[in-house]
Amino acid sequence: AQTVTQSQPEMSVQEAETVTLSCTYDTSENNYYLFWYKQPPSRQMILVIRQEAYKQQNATENRFSVNFQKAAKSFSLKISDSQLGDTAMYFCAFLPGSNYKLTFGKGTLLTVNP
Amino acid sequence: DSGVTQTPKHLITATGQRVTLRCSPRSGDLSVYWYQQSLDQGLQFLIQYYNGEERAKGNILERFSAQQFPDLHSELNLSSLELGDSALYFCASSVVAGAQETQYFGPGTRLLVL
Repeated sequence: AQTVTQSQPEMSVQEAETVTLSCTYDTSENNYYLFWYKQPPSRQMILVIRQEAYKQQNATENRFSVNFQKAAKSFSLKISDSQLGDTAMYFCAFLPGSNYKLTFGKGTLLTVNP
Repeated sequence: DSGVTQTPKHLITATGQRVTLRCSPRSGDLSVYWYQQSLDQGLQFLIQYYNGEERAKGNILERFSAQQFPDLHSELNLSSLELGDSALYFCASSVVAGAQETQYFGPGTRLLVL
């Protein structure tokens, strides 16, 4: 079974600064997909970024980028120029290529301070 | 707005009762997933349907059942409710059923069992 670990239950950052959220996973599969979802106070689950394991290039979406280290099974999220609207719970998620079961980490609560 | 709709937004009921949660996927999406988010268990995959057929099961209790109708909307039925069933229930959808497909989440239904 796959596991996803987010070792930082809470983090805070000043507005306009950069913050990195950590995620590690454990799997025996070679083909899989990784995601970061954001859950603001509204509780909506919003896709932030996605990474395919077979791609060596790190995914980027505007201010959000990942550092994907396949050998280390690490998938961190970097948020640049943090904004107040980035305040949310961030979940790392793993989707194996062999089935459709998305496994989530326990989340990191990020607070952006003015 | 992900395009996935869920009704109702909130539901308050008593132990032993039965409720039905409804989900309409994004236009064109054939696959629907159900997740439960609770304080103690985190986000857990429950079940997946693709074009009307069950495709994958996760940690879904026997008291829970789901179906996907010909118009592709899905319903999650929860019966003999217990206090521990209080949670946020999410529906997600994707175009097909492959693991490479990103899942987009609805706003969730918050269930409170008293």
